[in-house]
Amino acid sequence: EDQVTQSPEALRLQEGESSSLNCSYTVSGLRGLFWYRQDPGKGPEFLFTLYSAGEEKEKERLKATLTKKESFLHITAPKPEDSATYLCAVHNFGNEKLTFGTGTRLTIIP
Amino acid sequence: SAVISQKPSRDICQRGTSLTIQCQVDSQVTMMFWYRQQPGQSLTLIATANQGSEATYESGFVIDKFPISRPNLTFSTLTVSNMSPEDSSIYLCSVGTSRGEQFFGPGTRLTVL
Repeated sequence: EDQVTQSPEALRLQEGESSSLNCSYTVSGLRGLFWYRQDPGKGPEFLFTLYSAGEEKEKERLKATLTKKESFLHITAPKPEDSATYLCAVHNFGNEKLTFGTGTRLTIIP
Repeated sequence: SAVISQKPSRDICQRGTSLTIQCQVDSQVTMMFWYRQQPGQSLTLIATANQGSEATYESGFVIDKFPISRPNLTFSTLTVSNMSPEDSSIYLCSVGTSRGEQFFGPGTRLTVL
């Protein structure tokens, strides 16, 4: 069974203080790993897709990286508007389903 | 990516009643999914909505409780039947791409009293 574990559960940072969120996964055949941002009361917003170990994607202050066992979402010099829950999900070659982690709730303090 | 809308955006319902949630996409898509997100929890897949055939349900979810329709490639409905307070959640539809990515609608926040 596919498993996704995200850490930390919650993270509070000062504005400008860089950090990383972790997503560890176990999947029999990784087709893709996805990062989403979710604001309270809204649907998840797609951020990145990573397909193979060593791949990196960037968008503004966010950079996602992938190894064979985990993915990191690096946040550089965050701003208060980066506050949200960040979700990680894996896609198995065997089916069309996504398995989600429980998310990291990020708060950026001005 | 496709634009996805859901109706209603939120509702408050009485125990024992049913609510039908609509999901509309602005382009034809093959894969559509329905998820539940209980308070403070992550997303749990309810079922895959198949066009022209019965939905495929995940373990723990049954058709009698969550009937799904998919009459065409741009529209689907999820009904939450005989509701109880435990059904209070955000219900989300998503569409899938050939690359395995999924894009989500804005969600329907359901409160059952």
